[in-house]
Amino acid sequence: EPEVTQTPSHQVTQMGQEVILRCVPISNHLYFYWYRQILGQKVEFLVSFYNNEISEKSEIFDDQFSVERPDGSNFTLKIRSTKLEDSAMYFCASRTGAEAFFGQGTRLTVV
Amino acid sequence: GQNIDQPTEMTATEGAIVQINCTYQTSGFNGLFWYQQHAGEAPTFLSYNVLDGLEEKGRFSSFLSRSKGYSYLLLKELQMKDSASYLCAVPPRANQAGTALIFGKGTTLSVSS
Repeated sequence: EPEVTQTPSHQVTQMGQEVILRCVPISNHLYFYWYRQILGQKVEFLVSFYNNEISEKSEIFDDQFSVERPDGSNFTLKIRSTKLEDSAMYFCASRTGAEAFFGQGTRLTVV
Repeated sequence: GQNIDQPTEMTATEGAIVQINCTYQTSGFNGLFWYQQHAGEAPTFLSYNVLDGLEEKGRFSSFLSRSKGYSYLLLKELQMKDSASYLCAVPPRANQAGTALIFGKGTTLSVSS
């Protein structure tokens, strides 16, 4: 069964460093998303991407964040200068129809 | 904006039936989703309601009343593996293809034997 894959599963980084989280969406899907979930809190929308551009973004998605689809398969989230409060689980999702399929997430810990 | 309310926690016993309620307010309506999330894992899709009424899918059913801004997820014949968080979610905008989901805080269901 097709699935969304994310790498790495865990990432520890020092405050101020740049991180890139990677996702391979399901191949025939058209819409791609990044969400995050701080431990014990709700799943929060960050950004959606369609037709090689951002279609929506939340207030969380400030200038520190960027997304890219560098080739036909990968979808990346970059955080330029990480802060302690960026520690969270980051989920990538993709869809074509109503159902969004989520990857297993990258747990980012900023120390 | 959007506002989604769900109970924080519920408990039930194996074999029982439980109903998890969700009330929502959106600027436009484009369907309501329920997701299941086990601890430390990704959300997985359970149901999508766009019209009023009950949608049944095996042990899980979901109900929607658009006029009341209300939905519930009904879980029958509860099993221990149903212990998880149940997330109610709505798209923030109507009539926009591919729009993202805004999630509620989730209801943590604990099923005991």
